[in-house]
Amino acid sequence: GDSVTQMEGPVTLSEEAFLTINCTYTATGYPSLFWYVQYPGEGLQLLLKATKADDKGSNKGFEATYRKETTSFHLEKGSVQVSDSAVYFCALSDRTGANSKLTFGKGITLSVRP
Amino acid sequence: DTEVTQTPKHLVMGMTNKKSLKCEQHMGHRAMYWYKQKAKKPPELMFVYSYEKLSINESVPSRFSPECPNSSLLNLHLHALQPEDSALYLCASSQGIFAGVFDTQYFGPGTRLTVL
Repeated sequence: GDSVTQMEGPVTLSEEAFLTINCTYTATGYPSLFWYVQYPGEGLQLLLKATKADDKGSNKGFEATYRKETTSFHLEKGSVQVSDSAVYFCALSDRTGANSKLTFGKGITLSVRP
Repeated sequence: DTEVTQTPKHLVMGMTNKKSLKCEQHMGHRAMYWYKQKAKKPPELMFVYSYEKLSINESVPSRFSPECPNSSLLNLHLHALQPEDSALYLCASSQGIFAGVFDTQYFGPGTRLTVL
């Protein structure tokens, strides 16, 4: 079945540091890929997405490129802020039947210190 | 606008109570979802409605009863819950089947449920 593997956390960075969060996937079809972010006490927010190979999703300074050859969708940001502290989930959607079910990675907690 | 609203924000209930969670979206989406999320874990899918019909039930206990009265509303009726059912309950919506690979789920803020 489909699966998403995220790097182990938590991750602690200083403000303005470079961020990379690794995500790899296994899917039988051609999935769409997503990063969701969950701030403390809130629901999930869509951060960015990509629907086909070599697509780059970007939002709020975050970027991720859909790499089919390495089955990866790593999240990057050039300069993190304290406000980026949250849990980040990588997910894929591979249409099965009538619905696009999301398969999530375990999530990784990012803490950014001033 | 990609807003999904959920009420209430917090709910405390006893094991013999009956309560309902409500979810609403006005994006014209035709698929709606209920998820359960435990602390420090990813969301787990419970139910999917497609065009107001239940299309997926992930073997959820019958003490959870979903309802989709119309294309904008989704309810989750709760009865005789157990303390282990305490969690964050998230609703999501998406365009649905005809969006193809562009189908994207948008989540509400969740209801924090505590069962005593």
